Amino acid sequence: AQKITQTQPGMFVQEKEAVTLDCTYDTSDQSYGLFWYKQPSSGEMIFLIYQGSYDEQNATEGRYSLNFQKARKSANLVISASQLGDSAMYFCAMRERNTGNQFYFGTGTSLTVIP
Amino acid sequence: DTEVTQTPKHLVMGMTNKKSLKCEQHMGHRAMYWYKQKAKKPPELMFVYSYEKLSINESVPSRFSPECPNSSLLNLHLHALQPEDSALYLCASSQGRQGARNSPLHFGNGTRLTVT
Repeated sequence: AQKITQTQPGMFVQEKEAVTLDCTYDTSDQSYGLFWYKQPSSGEMIFLIYQGSYDEQNATEGRYSLNFQKARKSANLVISASQLGDSAMYFCAMRERNTGNQFYFGTGTSLTVIP
Repeated sequence: DTEVTQTPKHLVMGMTNKKSLKCEQHMGHRAMYWYKQKAKKPPELMFVYSYEKLSINESVPSRFSPECPNSSLLNLHLHALQPEDSALYLCASSQGRQGARNSPLHFGNGTRLTVT
């Protein structure tokens, strides 16, 4: 079974609008972390935001927030006030306490911001 | 600026060449990673070093040979590669202690490798 599932291969959003990128995960570990990365066409992988399994509050970092629903095992990324520079691939990833240094990545979502 | 430095940024090599990719970090991280990534795909894990010891090898062909000379450096030696090995190679680091579930991967900018 896939550890991380991203069901949206491609998304479009109008500039200045908000967009939600979906991520669901599968784990039996009680302690885990969820991460979102942005990868522009230039190739660098940029860490955006982290959510821990024990965190009661949804994580926020500037225009990025994470809609964490633990019972549904979902960790959706919300980007508010989209900008043209947000056009990129977005990857959801998970790290479990029991599997140590292993990170599991989803297949990614390609976001295009339309002017 | 990225805190993980990779060189070279681009590399073109023939199938009989030997080359090396280099990676350096000074964040005190004890886990270092090599990933291979094709366009529009997620990164594929190749190797993980934890405290300078190889801890994960994802059944990578022997034409790829990793080396971790010290806690800050990671190399990937390439020999007799195939055209299908052309890809973006990403180095990353993370805190390596047990239970560091909140420590993200920090990636370098990658090396774009073309095998001719």
